[in-house]
Amino acid sequence: QKEVEQNSGPLSVPEGAIASLNCTYSDRGSQSFFWYRQYSGKSPELIMSIYSNGDKEDGRFTAQLNKASQYVSLLIRDSQPSDSATYLCAVTGTASKLTFGTGTRLQVTL
Amino acid sequence: DAGITQSPRHKVTETGTPVTLRCHQTENHRYMYWYRQDPGHGLRLIHYSYGVKDTDKGEVSDGYSVSRSKTEDFLLTLESATSSQTSVYFCATLGAATSTDTQYFGPGTRLTVL
Repeated sequence: QKEVEQNSGPLSVPEGAIASLNCTYSDRGSQSFFWYRQYSGKSPELIMSIYSNGDKEDGRFTAQLNKASQYVSLLIRDSQPSDSATYLCAVTGTASKLTFGTGTRLQVTL
Repeated sequence: DAGITQSPRHKVTETGTPVTLRCHQTENHRYMYWYRQDPGHGLRLIHYSYGVKDTDKGEVSDGYSVSRSKTEDFLLTLESATSSQTSVYFCATLGAATSTDTQYFGPGTRLTVL
């Protein structure tokens, strides 16, 4: 079982809709959770971090964490074509090492 | 974003050739990491460093070695490159291992081993 699981997609949403990206993790001791966005041919870029249960909002992005269910999600409101990218979920383990999921490819259609 | 550069950005080499990739950072970050990214596998940790001359293995360290003689530089060496090491390599840095800190990535190096 992979330590961090994501649906590879592609997830296709129309422009203006809400995109919902999900991630589950296996290590109950994980403390920090991150969402990175990666455009094709580019490096991962941090867009959200979350450390406690509940929701955290930043502009059009909302991260949700449920440690009891070992579940992290990212909502993107008013999706734009520029949001089309691969979204990587990452979880911190020992020595601040990040374990990444394989990513979900999001396509925002016009 | 941390000032992270990687060199070279692209490299084509032949099987059996030694290859060294360089990561340079200007943020005086203590922690540095090398990842490889392959389709279907996501980002996987190769080696990391938690200080000058302090390094440890990651998930996929076989065939790779690292060195860190200065805070700003972290070198990844493939002693004898194989085709299975064709990948995109990313360096990342972390300022402090606090629960609220996170890693920032360099631009990547695309390595092709023929």
